[in-house]
Amino acid sequence: DAMVIQNPRYQVTQFGKPVTLSCSQTLNHNVMYWYQQKSSQAPKLLFHYYDKDFNNEADTPDNFQSRRPNTSFCFLDIRSPGLGDAAMYLCATSRELIRGDTQYFGPGTRLTVL
Amino acid sequence: TQLLEQSPQFLSIQEGENLTVYCNSSSVFSSLQWYRQEPGEGPVLLVTVVTGGEVKKLKRLTFQFGDARKDSSLHITAAQPGDTGLYLCAGANQAGTALIFGKGTTLSVSS
Repeated sequence: DAMVIQNPRYQVTQFGKPVTLSCSQTLNHNVMYWYQQKSSQAPKLLFHYYDKDFNNEADTPDNFQSRRPNTSFCFLDIRSPGLGDAAMYLCATSRELIRGDTQYFGPGTRLTVL
Repeated sequence: TQLLEQSPQFLSIQEGENLTVYCNSSSVFSSLQWYRQEPGEGPVLLVTVVTGGEVKKLKRLTFQFGDARKDSSLHITAAQPGDTGLYLCAGANQAGTALIFGKGTTLSVSS
């Protein structure tokens, strides 16, 4: 089945130790998004790619970076995780960047920072 | 800044009760989407409403988009424990492309 896959589902890292989260999609969608979601809160958009074009949200900290080496894969790099970065990280895709285009979410990666 | 206000933030009810969740804004949205998210999982799209006044039904769930496209509601009839989760509304910004999410309503249905 076509889907959005995130690995790992659970990631534990140490304070200040770089970590990379992975997302892949078999939907062949042009757009891939990364969201941060803290407990019982709405997802907060960090950035998105339209194909290879990167769009960073204005309030996304520099500590968060992303790479999209090809259509199928997108990575979230946290250069120096702090305790406040512990959250669920959601990857989503959409076919196009048009108003209301459905976003398909992966299951998320739960990040714990010790 | 366009905001989507959801209410109530938390709702705890007994199986068989009815409930309504609201999503309101002072801004017009070209469409609104409702997602349900279960603990430890990503949000799953339930419905998209695009026309003012539109009503969509999904089994026991009824979704309505306000005439002015500034608000939406989700009504659940005879709630079941399987309805438990975080319900998120998200709107498409007329001027941009990113979805704007409400803060969500956490629903707990006990048997």
